[in-house]
Amino acid sequence: GAVVSQHPSRVICKSGTSVKIECRSLDFQATTMFWYRQFPKQSLMLMATSNEGSKATYEQGVEKDKFLINHASLTLSTLTVTSAHPEDSSFYICSAIFRQLSYGYTFGSGTRLTVV
Amino acid sequence: EDQVTQSPEALRLQEGESSSLNCSYTVSGLRGLFWYRQDPGKGPEFLFTLYSAGEEKEKERLKATLTKKESFLHITAPKPEDSATYLCAVQGGRAAGNKLTFGGGTRVLVKP
Repeated sequence: GAVVSQHPSRVICKSGTSVKIECRSLDFQATTMFWYRQFPKQSLMLMATSNEGSKATYEQGVEKDKFLINHASLTLSTLTVTSAHPEDSSFYICSAIFRQLSYGYTFGSGTRLTVV
Repeated sequence: EDQVTQSPEALRLQEGESSSLNCSYTVSGLRGLFWYRQDPGKGPEFLFTLYSAGEEKEKERLKATLTKKESFLHITAPKPEDSATYLCAVQGGRAAGNKLTFGGGTRVLVKP
């Protein structure tokens, strides 16, 4: 089946710095990538949707200047948390839809971000 | 706006004690209902996709069913390794694009 590789799995950064999270589709071309945020014991909240070669579409209440999403190729999407603050600490997960597969969403393994 | 509600929030079962999880949804034009399993600190793992009322799918001890208003995930004779959070999500009509709307999840703990 399709695999989405997400890195890093854990990252600790200082307040005010930026952090980049990568998601790569290993076997198929990802036409659409979704980025979610998940707080402890809560469900997934969609942050943004990115299509290859176009600007990301952000959900209401998500700051596009703070959470920069790039989907420059069919195999790589990145989420950069800029000027991170402790309240940005969370679990971030990506998900992809693939061109070669008729349906289905494959999730990455997630990134635990801790801002100190 | 699409809405998904899962119940119960948490479920404690003895090994072998079968039970069902509920996923109620409100959506304009359901294109698919998804069940995922999520272990702590991991991304969701795909279980099933259901497309139309009356459809059923099975995988080992899990069986998913779908009606026009809700879906059930039945766990038959669960084992401790079935302990996880089970997430339900819907893909609505074309106006919603391809994004999924998730329920709050049901945390299942199976004790030996």
